[in-house]
Amino acid sequence: IQLTQSPSSLSASVGDRVTITCQASQAITNFLNWYQQKPGKAPKLLIYDAYMLQKGAPSRFSASGFGTDFTFTITSLQPEDVATYYCQQYGDSHPLTFGGGTTVDLK
Amino acid sequence: QVQLMQSGAEVRTPGSSVKVSCKASGGTFNTYTVSWVRQAPGQGLEWMGGIVPLFGTTNYAQNFQDRVTITADISTASVYMELNSLTFGDTAIYYCATEGALRGDYNWFDPWGQGTLVTVSS
Repeated sequence: IQLTQSPSSLSASVGDRVTITCQASQAITNFLNWYQQKPGKAPKLLIYDAYMLQKGAPSRFSASGFGTDFTFTITSLQPEDVATYYCQQYGDSHPLTFGGGTTVDLK
Repeated sequence: QVQLMQSGAEVRTPGSSVKVSCKASGGTFNTYTVSWVRQAPGQGLEWMGGIVPLFGTTNYAQNFQDRVTITADISTASVYMELNSLTFGDTAIYYCATEGALRGDYNWFDPWGQGTLVTVSS
C-alpha cells in the first residue's frame, strides 16, 4: 500500500493553521498514524488510528480520515513544530509503509 | 514505559554484514512486536521487518527478505537486526521501535530507539 503525502514541504507563520494530506493507494479503514521527526532525532508518535491523540502530544495536533484519504492539522503553528511529519499505515497486508514526509518550517 | 537503547555506530565495507542491537529497559516487550525502520540520509522512513521476541516469529518487508535477519534474546531483553551483502545504498540510520498498541501485532511505533548510523564505505 503506497501513501502519498502532500505537500512535500511548506512554510507557515507562527499561529497559522497547517494541513497535510495523506492518500492511501487502497482503503485502510482507520489504520493510519502520524509522526513528527526533528533533525537528528527519532520519529515521535503524535496520532494513531487516524485521529487518536497520543498521550502527551499537544492538543493543537489533530487528524481525521477514513478509507483512503487522511488529513493532519496543526491548529496554531508553534516554533517547536518545525519538523518533518510522516504518515504510516498498517493495513491488512504487509509491509507497513510510510508517506514521503512533509517538512514544515517557519516563514 | 519501555525504553529502547541501540548499539553504536558502525562502518562496514561493501559486501560485508552488520548486526545492530536494541535493548529494552523499564518494561517487557516479549509478547509485543519490535520492528526495524531505516532512514537513508535526507530520505524518508522504510520498514524492514519485525519480530515477536517470545515466539521468534518474524515478518520481513519484501525489499529486505533475502538479506535481513531479525532475532531476539529474551534473557537479555534484546532484539537484533543483521543485514548482509551491504551496498553503499544501505548507508542509513537504523531504528528499532516497539508497537504502541501492545497487542502483539504491527500497528504504530512507540517508543523508538535512538537510532544507529551504519555507514558503508570502501
